[in-house]
Amino acid sequence: SQQGEEDPQALSIQEGENATMNCSYKTSINNLQWYRQNSGRGLVHLILIRSNEREKHSGRLRVTLDTSKKSSSLLITASRAADTASYFCATDAPTSGTYKYIFGTGTRLKVLA
Amino acid sequence: EAGVAQSPRYKIIEKRQSVAFWCNPISGHATLYWYQQILGQGPKLLIQFQNNGVVDDSQLPKDRFSAERLKGVDSTLKIQPAKLEDSAVYLCASSLMQGASSNEQFFGPGTRLTVL
Repeated sequence: SQQGEEDPQALSIQEGENATMNCSYKTSINNLQWYRQNSGRGLVHLILIRSNEREKHSGRLRVTLDTSKKSSSLLITASRAADTASYFCATDAPTSGTYKYIFGTGTRLKVLA
Repeated sequence: EAGVAQSPRYKIIEKRQSVAFWCNPISGHATLYWYQQILGQGPKLLIQFQNNGVVDDSQLPKDRFSAERLKGVDSTLKIQPAKLEDSAVYLCASSLMQGASSNEQFFGPGTRLTVL
């Protein structure tokens, strides 16, 4: 089962604009991660935010986390054509003394040059 | 540092045939994951190893899928017999730490399986 649900499912913007995508999840978490997947490739880790953090920045990326609403958002500022990809959130879940990760359904971002 | 290696990159088989995928994780990474990603969906965890032991295989269809991680290094995932609905990309990932909730996963390029 997939815990995270991203919205929108697809987003198309012009180069230079900001892109915002959201992730909602169902159960309590320790951390939430965002990953990017270029077409035909594996996923690449972007950023991790812990449950006691509300906001985190990395370059042009800004992630927020609202544990009361069980939601997170990823903002990409000043988007570039190279940002065209699918973006997934992943939440942790305890299993057998360690943790596994449950990925959401993803947002497909297209940045038009 | 070399990344996660997977082979083959593409595989086309007919239903009821068998297929095997191979993964070599990043050196020193204790945890290895196999995911199934159906077109348009997020990755679904099939099996997670910590060293050579299985820590989660709750979503692995055990009647047809099997996986092993001999000597706690590389791993193979097998499907026997394949069904049409097994058409997907099979992703292998690895992470360094054991038992941590903040593990960053490093993914391989995946194997795209088409079952005809």
